[in-house]
Order: sequence, then structure tokens, then C-alpha cells
Amino acid sequence: EDQVTQSPEALRLQEGESSSLNCSYTVSGLRGLFWYRQDPGKGPEFLFTLYSAGEEKEKERLKATLTKKESFLHITAPKPEDSATYLCAVQKVSGANSKLTFGKGITLSVRP
Amino acid sequence: DAGVTQSPTHLIKTRGQQVTLRCSPKSGHDTVSWYQQALGQGPQFIFQYYEEEERQRGNFPDRFSGHQFPNYSSELNVNALLLGDSALYLCASSLGQGGSGYQETQYFGPGTRLLVL
Repeated sequence: EDQVTQSPEALRLQEGESSSLNCSYTVSGLRGLFWYRQDPGKGPEFLFTLYSAGEEKEKERLKATLTKKESFLHITAPKPEDSATYLCAVQKVSGANSKLTFGKGITLSVRP
Repeated sequence: DAGVTQSPTHLIKTRGQQVTLRCSPKSGHDTVSWYQQALGQGPQFIFQYYEEEERQRGNFPDRFSGHQFPNYSSELNVNALLLGDSALYLCASSLGQGGSGYQETQYFGPGTRLLVL
């Protein structure tokens, strides 16, 4: 069974204090790994898709990386507006647009 | 460019009732997936519709059913509501098989918050 585990469950940072969020996964045949940001009471907002080990993608203060067993979301010099829950999801190779299996998410709080 | 829209935004029902949630996909998308997100949890896959047919289904009982219309919009129906059905219901759209510009990214709507009393 596909599994996605995110750690830590919650992370509190001071503004400007860089850190990383971890997503460990077990899936038979990875098509893609997805990162989403979710603000309270809202739907997930797409951030990145990673397809193969070694791939990296960046967007503003965020950088996502992928290995064969885990992905990291690095946050450089975070700001209070980066506070949100970050969700990781995997999609396996079983037909196009197959389901996403999500982790529980990491709640990030950035203090000014 | 309109994103994924869902209605209603909030809904309160009592146990045993039935509910219908609606979703309009992002412009140009033809595939709709539904997810249930309980408080403090990640979204759980319910089912996916493409070409007006259910293509994939997660581990949800038959009380959960759906439909996709020719304009690609979709409905999620839940019968005999239980307290445990209280959650945020998310719709995600993507471009499916056979479409030009094939992509796998699913874009989510704002969700419908369902409370069952």
C-alpha cells in the first residue's frame, strides 16, 4: 500500500530562520511527487511536481528536492506569509491522472 | 482564467440526510477528482470522473456516489449521512487522457465544508 509520511507535524520558525520539511514515501512505481500549500479553511494550492530522483525545483523562498525515498521542501529566510500547512502527495504509475495519496501535512508557523 | 469552483461553501445537515456537492473544473480540464479531508488530516481520494464515467475509486462506501456532466462539471452525492462524514470536501480538476497538452497536475477548488449534526 502506498504510504506518505511527513515530518515534523508542526514547525515554528522565526522570520528569516531557514529550515526543511520532510516527506518520506513508499510507492510501487512513482509517476510524480507533488507539493501543495494549504491555508486554513481553503483548498490546496499547487506548488511543485517532481518526477525523478535528483530533480529540484524552486519558487521564491521554496526549493523542492527528490530522492528515491523522500522529498524535502527547503524554506529559505521564511516570512510570516509563508505560514500554512504544506502537503506532500504521490501519484503512481497506473494510468494517467491516477489518484493522489497525501501525507497528513506539516503546519508551519513563522513568527515576525 | 477561472479556476476550480465549488458550491456551496458551507453546509449543515443532520444524520440520515442526503447531500449534493457541486464542482466546475478549471477551464480546459476534463477530469474531476473528489477528496475528503478530515480536520488535521491530508485529503483522502474518493473517486475520479473522466468522460462521464467513474474511472477510479478509493475506499469509500457506496453511500458516496457521483456524476459528471457533458460540460465536465461534477456532483458528489452522499446518502444516509453519518457524523463521521463531517469534513472538507475538495474537488480537483486536471486534463485527462486524449487531451492535447496532457498534464498530471491536479488543481483544487476551495472546498465545501460539510457539518453533520
